[in-house]
Amino acid sequence: NAGVTQTPKFQVLKTGQSMTLQCAQDMNHEYMSWYRQDPGMGLRLIHYSVGAGITDQGEVPNGYNVSRSTTEDFPLRLLSAAPSQTSVYFCASSPEGVKTRQYFGPGTRLLVL
Amino acid sequence: AQSVSQHNHHVILSEAASLELGCNYSYGGTVNLFWYVQYPGQHLQLLLKYFSGDPLVKGIKGFEAEFIKSKFSFNLRKPSVQWSDTAEYFCAVRGSGTDKLIFGTGTRLQVFP
Repeated sequence: NAGVTQTPKFQVLKTGQSMTLQCAQDMNHEYMSWYRQDPGMGLRLIHYSVGAGITDQGEVPNGYNVSRSTTEDFPLRLLSAAPSQTSVYFCASSPEGVKTRQYFGPGTRLLVL
Repeated sequence: AQSVSQHNHHVILSEAASLELGCNYSYGGTVNLFWYVQYPGQHLQLLLKYFSGDPLVKGIKGFEAEFIKSKFSFNLRKPSVQWSDTAEYFCAVRGSGTDKLIFGTGTRLQVFP
């Protein structure tokens, strides 16, 4: 199993551009989530999904959209990038929601100029 | 909504010293508690978790944590740290009935030989 994969590993955007961060898992996990990690602020939950077709907002959802059309994929869309979205983004998945161990991806480092 | 506080932002220890990292949470109901670790250049991984029962839980690599309900705390301990414990440590909480895992701001631990 590849586990949780994220692409790209690094991306530079200009303010106002849009892009999609990809996240995929091959473990048939129902639960998936997106976090952003910023110095001094830890990990903050952006969006999460308890299964295909179901998504919900986390702590900091503004400026981000998600969809979950399949169990495997959980893309994160930045609609109009802003410098405040410069961060490292982590995707995670687990078989039984947040009660069980979360499997984290390697992260995507995003720089918005 | 649940929240987590980690008051130790940066801890520096010598090898063989004892470690205690503070974690306090805020939530009015039953909680599940976790400690995750992020070694330099690696994915976040689970150290230990508490759901119910014995409030003293043991995790990997000699770490343990004690849940004190009256103090809303879940402090992480290790009797003798090693250089390889250098990492960032995150406490996380899930409130019962929610599907959100909320992380603290993290504690950076540096262990010197």
